[in-house]
Amino acid sequence: AQKITQTQPGMFVQEKEAVTLDCTYDTSDQSYGLFWYKQPSSGEMIFLIYQGSYDEQNATEGRYSLNFQKARKSANLVISASQLGDSAMYFCAMRFNNYGQNFVFGPGTRLSVLP
Amino acid sequence: GAVVSQHPSRVICKSGTSVKIECRSLDFQATTMFWYRQFPKKSLMLMATSNEGSKATYEQGVEKDKFLINHASLTLSTLTVTSAHPEDSSFYICSADRGVRRETQYFGPGTRLLVL
Repeated sequence: AQKITQTQPGMFVQEKEAVTLDCTYDTSDQSYGLFWYKQPSSGEMIFLIYQGSYDEQNATEGRYSLNFQKARKSANLVISASQLGDSAMYFCAMRFNNYGQNFVFGPGTRLSVLP
Repeated sequence: GAVVSQHPSRVICKSGTSVKIECRSLDFQATTMFWYRQFPKKSLMLMATSNEGSKATYEQGVEKDKFLINHASLTLSTLTVTSAHPEDSSFYICSADRGVRRETQYFGPGTRLLVL
């Protein structure tokens, strides 16, 4: 079965510091996609970054980067230079089979950025 | 960028009534839409996959007669919560699959349902 684990229910980080949010996954599929979404208190799901299982380079999008370690089945999100507006829930998600329709979400990590 | 809308954004209804939630893809055609449910401080749980022109595929444990899904066009899917009860109160989020790029699932803003 496909499963996503986020072991940090809550994280605190000082403004302007970097923070790493952990995500591990379990799948026997060879082709899959890994995603990170941000959910602020308003509820909307904001796409942050994507990593394909065959991508050799770690994905980066502005202040977000994904530390992809395929052998360890981990896809940690690194946020550099944290801002107060980064305070939100963060969900790691996996889509197994890049062109398939099944999406599995992790339990989420609540990030609080301190001034 | 792609935009997905949901209507209404929040609804309060009496127990026993039915509530319809609309999910629209505003600038692209979505052959597949997804409906999720999210309890407070919990993750998203996939309820069903909605395919245009065919019956929805429900996840295990989701009552298809309770949560009616209709995907009548390439830009609209509806979720109807029939005979709603307080335990149906939740945050419902839809997403649409553009099917062009790998990161193609775009989420709507969600609908907060409160059943009294």
